[in-house]
Amino acid sequence: EIVLTQSPATLSLSPGERATLSCRASQSVNSYLAWYQQKPGQAPRLLIYDASNRATGIPTRFSGSGSGTDFTLTISSLEPEDFAVYYCQQRNTWPLTFGGGTMVEIK
Amino acid sequence: QVQLVQSGLEVKKPGASVKVSCKASGYSFTNHGISWVRQAPGQGLEWVAWISAYSGNTNYAQSVQGRVTVTTDTSTSTAYMELRSLRSDDTAVYYCARCVPSGVNYFDPWGQGTLVIVSS
Repeated sequence: EIVLTQSPATLSLSPGERATLSCRASQSVNSYLAWYQQKPGQAPRLLIYDASNRATGIPTRFSGSGSGTDFTLTISSLEPEDFAVYYCQQRNTWPLTFGGGTMVEIK
Repeated sequence: QVQLVQSGLEVKKPGASVKVSCKASGYSFTNHGISWVRQAPGQGLEWVAWISAYSGNTNYAQSVQGRVTVTTDTSTSTAYMELRSLRSDDTAVYYCARCVPSGVNYFDPWGQGTLVIVSS
């Protein structure tokens, strides 16, 4: 199965700062990668699909890039509601797999 | 709006079975697959199973293969996940999610989650 490794595990930033999250795949997933946001006690929410496409209703401060094995989620300027855990997920190959998550916390 | 509403809390003993439901509304049910994803307490996300609501085709994670069955009832737009021979490490919140875009396997939206506790 394809293993997705997210880094860093925790990112401590202040509101207004730029956040850069990484997801690395153990083999190529082409561009078939998504990003999700999860807040405590809530279900995850789709942010980005096919590496760089924002899902419906997602603010433009969220952007995704990458292909093959290396992907990045960027939050250009953190809002208070953006502090959460972020997961990447690949759909290139069964079984579908998720990364271990990056927690973005308030510094 | 598109919504997935799941059944409530389940508490089961080891070796028992559990069946969780997921009722969809706001879209054409057979146009999208449904996946099930679980999250153990304090842990990350693990994909468990997928079903095509159109054809009934399924795919399962190795960790639950042989113990899990996912089905759909198109007359009520409801998906079900049954997990048998429950173990303590099956304790988790189980989410259903619509697969998007049609025929593809990203998840949006998700149900509210069903906590399944396996304990003697």
